[in-house]
Amino acid sequence: AQKVTQAQTEISVVEKEDVTLDCVYETRDTTYYLFWYKQPPSGELVFLIRRNSFDEQNEISGRYSWNFQKSTSSFNFTITASQVVDSAVYFCALSGSGANSKLTFGKGITLSVRP
Amino acid sequence: EAQVTQNPRYLITVTGKKLTVTCSQNMNHEYMSWYRQDPGLGLRQIYYSMNVEVTDKGDVPEGYKVSRKEKRNFPLILESPSPNQTSLYFCASSLITGGPDEQFFGPGTRLTVL
Repeated sequence: AQKVTQAQTEISVVEKEDVTLDCVYETRDTTYYLFWYKQPPSGELVFLIRRNSFDEQNEISGRYSWNFQKSTSSFNFTITASQVVDSAVYFCALSGSGANSKLTFGKGITLSVRP
Repeated sequence: EAQVTQNPRYLITVTGKKLTVTCSQNMNHEYMSWYRQDPGLGLRQIYYSMNVEVTDKGDVPEGYKVSRKEKRNFPLILESPSPNQTSLYFCASSLITGGPDEQFFGPGTRLTVL
């Protein structure tokens, strides 16, 4: 069975602080995919990144960066110089490579960025 | 514009009154899926479809039905809604490219069953 744990439930920071959102996953698959989604207060789900299990390179996209470590089964997300617009719920998700591309979601982390 | 649309966006209904939430995508995606989002539980898959006339249960299918008669549409049917189906529902679609591709989500449907 697959499982995603986002141990942090709520994080509050002041604008311009860096913040890291943790994600730990469990799977028996050797091929799997990890995702991060953002859910702003408006409610839609916004895709941020997809990473497959064979690609452990860290990724940076503007103020966002992701650290994938298979050794610790973690796929952490860092926002540098946070902004008020980053306030949202962030979900980490895991999918196997089987026929059903089901996403197994973590419970989400509510990030509040205060001005 | 590539998108997944859901209707209605908001719905308040009463126990036992059949309802359908529609989902449509314009990206020619084979894979479509329904999730429900509940506080503290994240999103959980209800049903999914790999292609036309091919559907299967997800993790929480009880009380729901789906159909996939056309590639673009994947309606979610609640034959006899109950209060425990009050939730935020998302439809999603993606290509099937040998591995899970980015899933595009609809805007969500907030359902309240009284």
